[in-house]
Amino acid sequence: GDSVTQMEGPVTLSEEAFLTINCTYTATGYPSLFWYVQYPGEGLQLLLKATKADDKGSNKGFEATYRKETTSFHLEKGSVQVSDSAVYFCALNRDDKIIFGKGTRLHILP
Amino acid sequence: GAVVSQHPSWVICKSGTSVKIECRSLDFQATTMFWYRQFPKQSLMLMATSNEGSKATYEQGVEKDKFLINHASLTLSTLTVTSAHPEDSSFYICSARGYFGPGTRLLVL
Repeated sequence: GDSVTQMEGPVTLSEEAFLTINCTYTATGYPSLFWYVQYPGEGLQLLLKATKADDKGSNKGFEATYRKETTSFHLEKGSVQVSDSAVYFCALNRDDKIIFGKGTRLHILP
Repeated sequence: GAVVSQHPSWVICKSGTSVKIECRSLDFQATTMFWYRQFPKQSLMLMATSNEGSKATYEQGVEKDKFLINHASLTLSTLTVTSAHPEDSSFYICSARGYFGPGTRLLVL
């Protein structure tokens, strides 16, 4: 069945460092792909999405490109801030059913 | 944008009681809604698919008699945790059309 695999955390970086969180998926066809963010004690927020191959989703300085050849959707940000500390979930959408990766906890140090 | 609401946001109950959580789509209709559960520091686990006008579809390992789902209308799905026990304490989140509700935190004493 469909699944999402993302890099294990926690990831700890200094402020202004470059961020990459790897995500790969297994699915039939070409599902929509998402990154969600969850701040401590809060619900999920959609960070960005891509609906077809080679699409690039972007928001708040974060980017991810839908790569069908590598079945990947890696999250990147050029310069992270302390406020980016959160848990990030990679996910795919199959007929509105969202399947999540295990999440990656990100700590940004000032 | 599309909004999904949940009520209540917080609930504390005694062991053995039942708790009902509502999920509403506020500006669109949804024949299908999804219920997830999240344990502390873990990912979201899909519990069941709520279908308007028919029975819910439960994921493997989820007790359907424990977690009753009713999709009463095109904008409302309810999850009832029956005879709740401390191990049912968790964060419950619904979604529709890829949009998520804010979640309901359940604490069973």
